[in-house]
Amino acid sequence: GQQVMQIPQYQHVQEGEDFTTYCNSSTTLSNIQWYKQRPGGHPVFLIQLVKSGEVKKQKRLTFQFGEAKKNSSLHITATQTTDVGTYFCAGSYGQNFVFGPGTRLSVLP
Amino acid sequence: DAGVIQSPRHEVTEMGQEVTLRCKPISGHNSLFWYRQTMMRGLELLIYFNNNVPIDDSGMPEDRFSAKMPNASFSTLKIQPSEPRDSAVYFCASSFVMGNEQFFGPGTRLTVL
Repeated sequence: GQQVMQIPQYQHVQEGEDFTTYCNSSTTLSNIQWYKQRPGGHPVFLIQLVKSGEVKKQKRLTFQFGEAKKNSSLHITATQTTDVGTYFCAGSYGQNFVFGPGTRLSVLP
Repeated sequence: DAGVIQSPRHEVTEMGQEVTLRCKPISGHNSLFWYRQTMMRGLELLIYFNNNVPIDDSGMPEDRFSAKMPNASFSTLKIQPSEPRDSAVYFCASSFVMGNEQFFGPGTRLTVL
């Protein structure tokens, strides 16, 4: 079946450093979504990417969708303590939807 | 809109007891999802419905788990009998259509002793 992998599993950064998480699919995706889950909270939708090579920005967050629509990345510039949480990618394969295992980000003040 | 509503927020029960988790999706949303989250296994999709019809229940762990959606505004996830390994946070999510952004409820934290 379809699998979505994410690396790294954990990332510890000093406040102000950049952070990147990568998402890879074993097969071509229809689209990909990114979610953030704060500690003790529930996943919250961040963005959806649909087109091959698409790049979207939300303030300090930059999202990319690979040309082959099999991988994606989320980059945070100059992390802040409010960025702490787990970032999930979720790949859509037609009627199926698979979440990656997530990358847990810790930001040290 | 109040968002996706789940009840109870916390449930502590003893092994062998029946557990029923409830979900009210956002009004107008046609797809509903049940997830289970644990430290070991991450976020797992258990089952999802489209227009109240179960589409894919391949994620349901075993016959002890069952889910229903009798109408567009209500769904239940039942575990009978419950076991300690069922302890997890169970999320319900809804989306306008399949493939669109999902709105998650606050979750039900289940502890089976």
